[in-house]
Order: sequence, then C-alpha cells, then structure tokens
Amino acid sequence: AQSVTQLGSHVSVSEGALVLLRCNYSSSVPPYLFWYVQYPNQGLQLLLKYTTGATLVKGINGFEAEFKKSETSFHLTKPSAHMSDAAEYFCAVRRYNQGGKLIFGQGTELSVKP
Amino acid sequence: NAGVMQNPRHLVRRRGQEARLRCSPMKGHSHVYWYRQLPEEGLKFMVYLQKENIIDESGMPKERFSAEFPKEGPSILRIQQVVRGDSAAYFCASSPGQGNSYEQYFGPGTRLTVT
Repeated sequence: AQSVTQLGSHVSVSEGALVLLRCNYSSSVPPYLFWYVQYPNQGLQLLLKYTTGATLVKGINGFEAEFKKSETSFHLTKPSAHMSDAAEYFCAVRRYNQGGKLIFGQGTELSVKP
Repeated sequence: NAGVMQNPRHLVRRRGQEARLRCSPMKGHSHVYWYRQLPEEGLKFMVYLQKENIIDESGMPKERFSAEFPKEGPSILRIQQVVRGDSAAYFCASSPGQGNSYEQYFGPGTRLTVT
C-alpha cells in the first residue's frame, strides 16, 4: 500500500529564511506527487505537482520541489519565507493509472516568525 | 468560472440525526472526490464518483455513509445517525477527467460538528 510521510508536524522559520518541508513516499511504482497548501478554514490549493519530465518542479508563490527517485522524496522548498506563507502544507501521491484518489501525508504546519 | 462549491460551510447535528453535505463541481467537471479531515490529521479519501456512478468507495465507512452524484444537481454525501466521531471537515474535489494529468480542485469544505 502506498503511504506518505511528512517529517515534522510543525516547522517554524524566521521571515526571510529558507523553508524546507520534507515528504517521503512509499510506492513500488513512482507515483504522481503533489504539494497542497491549506489556510485556516479554507480548502486546499495546489502549489505544484510532479507527473513526468523534469524532476525539479516550480510552483506558485516561489515554492519548488524536487523529485528524487533514489530517496523516494519530494521535499518542498522556498528560498525566503514570507509571513503570508504561514499555513498547513500537505504532500500527496497518486498512483499511475489507479484512478484519481490522492493519498495525503499528515500535514506540516509552517509558522513564520517576524 | 466558479470554483468548487460546497454547502453548507458549517453544519451542526445532534447525535442520531442525518447530515447531508452538497458539492457542486466546477463547470465542465464530471469527476467528484470526497475526503474527510479529522482534527489534527491529514485528508483521507472516502469516495470517487462520476455522474450516476460510484467508481471507488474504498474509503467509505461500511455503515451509515453513502454518496451519490446524479445526472443533474450536486453530489451528496449523506451520513445517517451521526455520532461524535463523525465531527470533521469534509472536502469535495472535482476534476475534468480521470487521466493522470488531471489535477483536483478542492472546495472550501463543510465542517460538521456533532453534539
């Protein structure tokens, strides 16, 4: 069975510092990978996705993620944190040709200190 | 193009009552997914529907929960005889197709509180 592990349920950074949110997946076949952001009392918004092709994926709001097959990882980064980045971030996988359901990690809450 | 609509946004039910959650997908989208987010947890897949068909209900509890997506109108997630453990945020997502490149667009969620 597929699973997604996000290391660290809470991450705190200073404004302007590097943001690194970790995501590892387990799958016998490389899946499609996604990062979503959730602001308080709102739905999920897609930040970026990896399906095929270039392993470094750029998303909205300055975020990017790199798919590393050898490490089964898809970590999310942003060079310089902004106060507005404070939110909950979810990593998700979807298996190739297995319908549409997404398997989510447990989430990482990002706090940004002034 | 309006996004995915869910209503109500907040729903309070007493134990034993029924809860009906509605989801209107984005225009042109014929695929709907329901997810549940329990407090302090990530989202868990519940069910995947196309118009008039349930494609995958592997995440649905065996009892009290049902879902439909009729030819006309919104998708409905129905919870009968609610219990306190059903308190959660329920999110609907839609996509235009099943292909691997199609992403899911999420609604704002319905927050169900069972008292």
